[in-house]
Amino acid sequence: EIVLTQSPVTLSLSPGERATLSCRASQSVSSNFLAWYQQKPGQAPRLLIYGASSRPTGIPDRFRGSGSGTDFTLTITRVEPEDFAVYYCQRYGRSVFTFGPGTKVDIK
Amino acid sequence: EVQLVDSGGGVVRPGESLRVSCVASGFTFDDYAMSWVRQAPGKGPEWVSTLNWNGDVADYADFVKGRFTISRDNAKNSLYLQMNSLRPEDTALYYCTRVYAKAYDYWGQGSLVTVSS
Repeated sequence: EIVLTQSPVTLSLSPGERATLSCRASQSVSSNFLAWYQQKPGQAPRLLIYGASSRPTGIPDRFRGSGSGTDFTLTITRVEPEDFAVYYCQRYGRSVFTFGPGTKVDIK
Repeated sequence: EVQLVDSGGGVVRPGESLRVSCVASGFTFDDYAMSWVRQAPGKGPEWVSTLNWNGDVADYADFVKGRFTISRDNAKNSLYLQMNSLRPEDTALYYCTRVYAKAYDYWGQGSLVTVSS
């Protein structure tokens, strides 16, 4: 069973700062089937990044995904007030989807 | 506009059954695999089951194998999850999701399932 670990658990930032969120897999993620989601209270998760680095239509380019193998990063280049939320990574492999435990980005 | 509308949640006792449903619109339903993802109160999302485009291939998380059955009716643009032998730990918001590039690009609003005696 592949386990995803996210760090930090909480990231406290001011608007305009850069956010760097980490997602580490216990085994290599094949074909970079790694995605990132944003979730705000009372809402369903929203897909931000798929294929490790691709953005769906409508996702601002301040959200950037990178990494390969077992180490992946979500970067928010300049955090906007609406970006304070919980972020989850998710991988796919061998017909199984797995989510990480999440990183909360809150206001400093 | 892509929409997924979840329904069918409710309160049941341990050991009972429930079926949640999802109606899709705004895209060609049988072009996509679909999944159910759940989220317990205060917890992160958790994959439950995935069904391929024509209903031939279903995958399940270990914790629901033998208890839950995913199905779809492409003529009705609908996805279903039949849940039997429900346990208190199955209490969660159940989301219908569309699978795209091994991720979930659209989510329903969720159906709340509460299992309690």
